Amino acid sequence: DQQVKQNSPSLSVQEGRISILNCDYTNSMFDYFLWYKKYPAEGPTFLISISSIKDKNEDGRFTVFLNKSAKHLSLHIVPSQPGDSAVYFCAALASMDSNYQLIWGAGTKLIIKP
Amino acid sequence: DGGITQSPKYLFRKEGQNVTLSCEQNLNHDAMYWYRQDPGQGLRLIYYSQIVNDFQKGDIAEGYSVSREKKESFPLTVTSAQKNPTAFYLCASCVRGRTQPQHFGDGTRLSIL
Repeated sequence: DQQVKQNSPSLSVQEGRISILNCDYTNSMFDYFLWYKKYPAEGPTFLISISSIKDKNEDGRFTVFLNKSAKHLSLHIVPSQPGDSAVYFCAALASMDSNYQLIWGAGTKLIIKP
Repeated sequence: DGGITQSPKYLFRKEGQNVTLSCEQNLNHDAMYWYRQDPGQGLRLIYYSQIVNDFQKGDIAEGYSVSREKKESFPLTVTSAQKNPTAFYLCASCVRGRTQPQHFGDGTRLSIL
């Protein structure tokens, strides 16, 4: 049972336009969300995060929006640049007693067209 | 430069053989993690350790083993009991604290001969 879903395996966007990557989750106990970016043959790199007490967090060209009632978050990249072409993973934090682990989506491959 | 080093980058395993993937970090992080990535899937947690000499099973620990004898090192052994070991393995570490972002190595791709 996938608790974190990224329903678009890929997304193609024109350079300079806005890229919107979506993520849905099912567990209402998730209270912290992260986005990671991954290039081929490399490990993921942390991009931006958001706590459930907020509905928006912004860092330069990257903004994450959280809609708790819909259990949905999105990552906006504007303007999109060629170097943004990568796979983007959404991850949610689940707490289990004193331990905690990230639950990951399957990723969305973003392709920025020149 | 501080970071996480995984070695080797590519590894081949024969049937019935155990292999060990190395993960070393010089970030002084307490917590370390091993993930497996398969095509079209998210990362799945194999094992994690939040302190030296202690580790916990993740969602897919069967067929794997780990040790955490030093803070800097968290090797993963893929045993012959793991029937489908071909995958991309990622090691991560972070400062202890539930909202601290994990930092990743560049991964090891394991294939079966």
